[in-house]
Amino acid sequence: EAGVVQSPRYKIIEKKQPVAFWCNPISGHNTLYWYLQNLGQGPELLIRYENEEAVDDSQLPKDRFSAERLKGVDSTLKIQPAELGDSAVYLCASSQRATRDEQFFGPGTRLTVL
Amino acid sequence: GENVEQHPSTLSVQEGDSAVIKCTYSDSASNYFPWYKQELGKGPQLIIDIRSNVGEKKDQRIAVTLNKTAKHFSLHITETQPEDSAVYFCAASIGLGGGADGLTFGKGTHLIIQP
Repeated sequence: EAGVVQSPRYKIIEKKQPVAFWCNPISGHNTLYWYLQNLGQGPELLIRYENEEAVDDSQLPKDRFSAERLKGVDSTLKIQPAELGDSAVYLCASSQRATRDEQFFGPGTRLTVL
Repeated sequence: GENVEQHPSTLSVQEGDSAVIKCTYSDSASNYFPWYKQELGKGPQLIIDIRSNVGEKKDQRIAVTLNKTAKHFSLHITETQPEDSAVYFCAASIGLGGGADGLTFGKGTHLIIQP
């Protein structure tokens, strides 16, 4: 079974530029999460989806961050415009309804903003 | 909201010895406590978890204990091996009955296994 897929793995951009990250969860997983991981820290939740509905986006900085999961499968997280402080690893995770506590993480996208 | 504290930040042990990592949490409603292992350049990998109706759980060389009264839980690794070297994260959430909530993570422990 394939795990959570994320792309790109690495992205370098200049500040004020837009950037987007893509995530494909494990097949059959209804719940999808985006986390932010700063260097030397644990992941922090940005947004949680149940199918196509964002049920918890309280930690998402909505002035510059947006996310979508249009068909309830893959998801895109966007930053526009990027700031220097956005440099971090962006992790996607998914879980299934039956054992929904268990979250499985993708490899992450490492973003560097210059 | 939930706050998870994790200690120590770095732990160095001799190969074959045991390692213990401790976490405390603040929200008494939390009832799901997973542990993740993260290797360089990879995403966190679930290694063991425990729910609040259980005090201890073991899987080969790894065990987790939970004290709900004191709001702390610990990861125990016995007979450590070089491949155990990684960063370990504890986490907490209001799982199952409260919905598939996002996890609140500790800041991580860098475990170093000395040969």
